[in-house]
Amino acid sequence: KAGVTQTPRYLIKTRGQQVTLSCSPISGHRSVSWYQQTPGQGLQFLFEYFSETQRNKGNFPGRFSGRQFSNSRSEMNVSTLELGDSALYLCASTQLRTSGTGELFFGEGSRLTVL
Amino acid sequence: QQQVKQSPQSLIVQKGGIPIINCAYENTAFDYFPWYQQFPGKGPALLIAIRPDVSEKKEGRFTISFNKSAKQFSLHIMDSQPGDSATYFCAASYTGTASKLTFGTGTRLQVTL
Repeated sequence: KAGVTQTPRYLIKTRGQQVTLSCSPISGHRSVSWYQQTPGQGLQFLFEYFSETQRNKGNFPGRFSGRQFSNSRSEMNVSTLELGDSALYLCASTQLRTSGTGELFFGEGSRLTVL
Repeated sequence: QQQVKQSPQSLIVQKGGIPIINCAYENTAFDYFPWYQQFPGKGPALLIAIRPDVSEKKEGRFTISFNKSAKQFSLHIMDSQPGDSATYFCAASYTGTASKLTFGTGTRLQVTL
């Protein structure tokens, strides 16, 4: 069974640009969540999507947005990039149908560098 | 109140030693406490998890100890091996926020020969 796939793996952008990151969850997983990982702030929750609906949201500005498609694939978008947005963006999927707790399966991440 | 505090930041032990990583939380609504292991260039992977209705859980060489009254939990790695060298994160969440984990800041473990 294929794991969580994130594309692109690496990208470089300049301040003010926007970026879209993609995530394909494990087959059968309907919940996809996104995390930002930085050396200073660690792992921080961005948002979670389940059945194309945002179910939970972290404390990030509105420049960070996401969506989920009917095949459970998800994208996140960051507009008007700032230097501080440089980070590893991790996508995780889980097969839970309800808001219980359980194992998250993480992808290898998309490393974004903002110059 | 959403923080999970983790210590130490880094840890070096010899092969066969028992590294211990500690975490403390404030939010008493948390009811799920996983530990994740992350190798360089990889995403975190679930190692072991515990709920507050038990005080200890073992899976192989990994043990979680949980102290509900102190709001603390810890990870012990028995007979540590060089292959255990990685960054370990504790985390917490509560029912109703399945994927919204609050992570500790991580502990970089190095196991030497």
